This record gives sequence, structure tokens and C-alpha cells, in this order.
Amino acid sequence: AQSVAQPEDQVNVAEGNPLTVKCTYSVSGNPYLFWYVQYPNRGLQFLLKYITGDNLVKGSYGFEAEFNKSQTSFHLKKPSALVSDSALYFCAVRDTGFQKLVFGTGTRLLVSP
Amino acid sequence: DGGITQSPKYLFRKEGQNVTLSCEQNLNHDAMYWYRQDPGQGLRLIYYSQIVNDFQKGDIAEGYSVSREKKESFPLTVTSAQKNPTAFYLCASSSSGRAATGELFFGEGSRLTVL
Repeated sequence: AQSVAQPEDQVNVAEGNPLTVKCTYSVSGNPYLFWYVQYPNRGLQFLLKYITGDNLVKGSYGFEAEFNKSQTSFHLKKPSALVSDSALYFCAVRDTGFQKLVFGTGTRLLVSP
Repeated sequence: DGGITQSPKYLFRKEGQNVTLSCEQNLNHDAMYWYRQDPGQGLRLIYYSQIVNDFQKGDIAEGYSVSREKKESFPLTVTSAQKNPTAFYLCASSSSGRAATGELFFGEGSRLTVL
């Protein structure tokens, strides 16, 4: 079965510094990978996805993600963090057979002023 | 504006009562989903539906039921058989077919608390 792992429960970064939120995946076949963000008591918002093509994917709000096939990783990055980026971030992979998504456990990002 | 509407936002229920959460979408999506979110566990799939009048169990379907009588609507009933129903419930939808890449669009969620 397809799965993703988010090894960090929380990531702390100072405003203005670069941030990385890690995700590794396990799939059979070519992966369809996604990043979502969730603010408190809200639904999930789509940030970006990797289907095929360039390994560096650009998304919403200045976020980008790097697909690395040899390391089976899809880390989320941003060159300069904002306090407003503080939220819960989920990595997800499309399951085989149908386009339902399997989610990681989430990583809480805290950006300090 | 197109989107997904969940209601109610907050719901309290006594033990032993069934409760139904509403999910409506006007995105013309064929597929709809219900996920449950608990702290530290991410999102777990309860039920999903690819087309009207058809739905499949997800990973944690026990104690839940759904219907899909209309394309726009996918209500979730949390029954008294669900042993630990207090959670945040998220409805989502997506387009389907060969061109679809699987991106889900989410509602704002419904928080159910059992007293």
C-alpha cells in the first residue's frame, strides 16, 4: 500500500530563515505527491503537487517542494519563513486504483518573530 | 463561488445518539470523501464515493454510514456504534477520470463532541 511518513512532529524556525518540512514516501509505481496546509479549526488547503516533470515544484504562498526519487523524499521548502506560515502541514500520496489520498500524520510548523 | 460546504461547524451529542453531518459541493465533482482527524494521527479515510448511488468503505468505516443520492451531497451519519466519535470530520471532493490527478478540495470541517 502507498504511504507517506512525516518524521517531525514539529519544526521551529525564526522568521526570515529558510524552512524545510520533511516527507518520505513508499509507493509502487510512479508517485503522485501532494502538500496541504491546515490552520486551526479549518479545512485543508492545497499547496502543491508532483505528478511528473521537474523535480522542483512551485506552489502557493511561496512554497516549493523537491522530489527526490533516489531518496524517496518530497520535502516542502520556503526560502524565507513568515510568522503567518505557522500551521499544520500534511504530505499525501495518491493511492493505487483510485485517486483517494493517503495522508501523513502532519508536521506543526512554528515560525517565531 | 465554487466550493464545499460542511454543516454544522460544531456539534454536541449525547452518548447513544446518532448524528448526521452534511456535506454539499458545487464543483461538479464526481468523487467525494469523508476523513476523520484526530491529534497526532493525521487524516483517516472513513468512506468515499466515486459516483452517485455508489460508495466504498475506507480504513475506519465501522460505526459510520453514508449515502450518495445526489452528485452534490454526501452526508455522513455517526451512529451510536462508533465507540469514540469525538473528532474533527472533513469532507472533500475531487474530479475523476483519466485526466484527474487526485487533488482534493476540502470543506471547513465539522467538530463533533460527545458529552
